[in-house]
Amino acid sequence: DAGVIQSPRHEVTEMGQEVTLRCKPISGHDYLFWYRQTMMRGLELLIYFNNNVPIDDSGMPEDRFSAKMPNASFSNLKIQPSEPRDSAVYFCASSSSSEGYTRGEQFFGPGTRLTVL
Amino acid sequence: DAKTTQPPSMDCAEGRAANLPCNHSTISGNEYVYWYRQIHSQGPQYIIHGLKNNETNEMASLIITEDRKSSTLILPHATLRDTAVYYCIVSAKTSYDKVIFGPGTSLSVIP
Repeated sequence: DAGVIQSPRHEVTEMGQEVTLRCKPISGHDYLFWYRQTMMRGLELLIYFNNNVPIDDSGMPEDRFSAKMPNASFSNLKIQPSEPRDSAVYFCASSSSSEGYTRGEQFFGPGTRLTVL
Repeated sequence: DAKTTQPPSMDCAEGRAANLPCNHSTISGNEYVYWYRQIHSQGPQYIIHGLKNNETNEMASLIITEDRKSSTLILPHATLRDTAVYYCIVSAKTSYDKVIFGPGTSLSVIP
């Protein structure tokens, strides 16, 4: 398995532009998580999905952020409009609740480093 | 979920055991202790988890005190590649999902 795939790996954009981050979870996993990491705030959970349904989005900073999971193989995180304070590394992770998997183990992608100028 | 307290940083000599402590005095009966690590510029990686008993896998050992208020992650023979931030997390088994990361312990393995 290729693991969790994120794209792009690096994104540089200007303030006010729309940014879309993409994630492909590990096949068969039924949970998907979006995290944001900065030096100041550490690793923060933004939102997570179970079977493509958003379960908890209390970590989403504001209405400029939105996330969708149209199917089990894809999720995206959008920021519109982007601001310099959104600069961070965004991680996607997935996990499985099925038998045979270690409960609570999340598999993280390599992250997308976002810079908003 | 219960909160955890870890020292912000630790050093360990290469080849020696690294013992990383974690306090979780408010842990509930149904909550597990999980350990992850994050090597620079990479996503976090699961290491091990446990409920009551000590656990061991190919990466590390986890020692949980009898009252479950603290635990220690042991890397038996630390290598330079073990230099990373180590996160201790407490999470309920029934919520496979939410794993809240604190600041963790930055472990430096020194040659």
